[in-house]
Amino acid sequence: GENVEQHPSTLSVQEGDSAVIKCTYSDSASNYFPWYKQELGKGPQLIIDIRSNVGEKKDQRIAVTLNKTAKHFSLHITETQPEDSAVYFCAANAAGNKLTFGGGTRVLVKP
Amino acid sequence: DVKVTQSSRYLVKRTGEKVFLECVQDMDHENMFWYRQDPGLGLRLIYFSYDVKMKEKGDIPEGYSVSREKKERFSLILESASTNQTSMYLCASSRAGGEYEQYFGPGTRLTVT
Repeated sequence: GENVEQHPSTLSVQEGDSAVIKCTYSDSASNYFPWYKQELGKGPQLIIDIRSNVGEKKDQRIAVTLNKTAKHFSLHITETQPEDSAVYFCAANAAGNKLTFGGGTRVLVKP
Repeated sequence: DVKVTQSSRYLVKRTGEKVFLECVQDMDHENMFWYRQDPGLGLRLIYFSYDVKMKEKGDIPEGYSVSREKKERFSLILESASTNQTSMYLCASSRAGGEYEQYFGPGTRLTVT
């Protein structure tokens, strides 16, 4: 089945700096790669996703890149703000209706 | 506003008890999921359902069962709770297919003593 690895597990950045989280996946049939943000005490919420027919997607301060050949995708957050502090999960769609999630990255933005 | 609700935010049970975790969604979604969240392990799929009375095992189904009698409700059952089932349990729902946003509930933190 699909296996998704996510790095780093924790990331501390100064407010205003950029943050990058990287994920690799194993199943070349995967074609949908969402990113979720989980704030304290809440369930994860989708922040951006990318499909295999595009290499990059942007939404304001966040962007995701996909390299299908290398089987990796990344989340980029620019001009980080304190409200960006959260746990972030990458995922890839596995066979059927399922998603396989990475282990998560705890991001701390220091003011 | 879309909503997935879970019956309890916190639950404390004793070893050997039967535990029911309930999840309700109001979006008429076909798919519903139960995940377990543990530090460093991400979200691991326990079971999912793609239609009423239909279910499929996820990656870690041992010790769990599920029930989906109505489209909006998906229950996770721990037949005989054990301490290694102490965890955060998250329910999610989505439209049919594997390329749609999953909407998550707030989670139930279960402690088995």
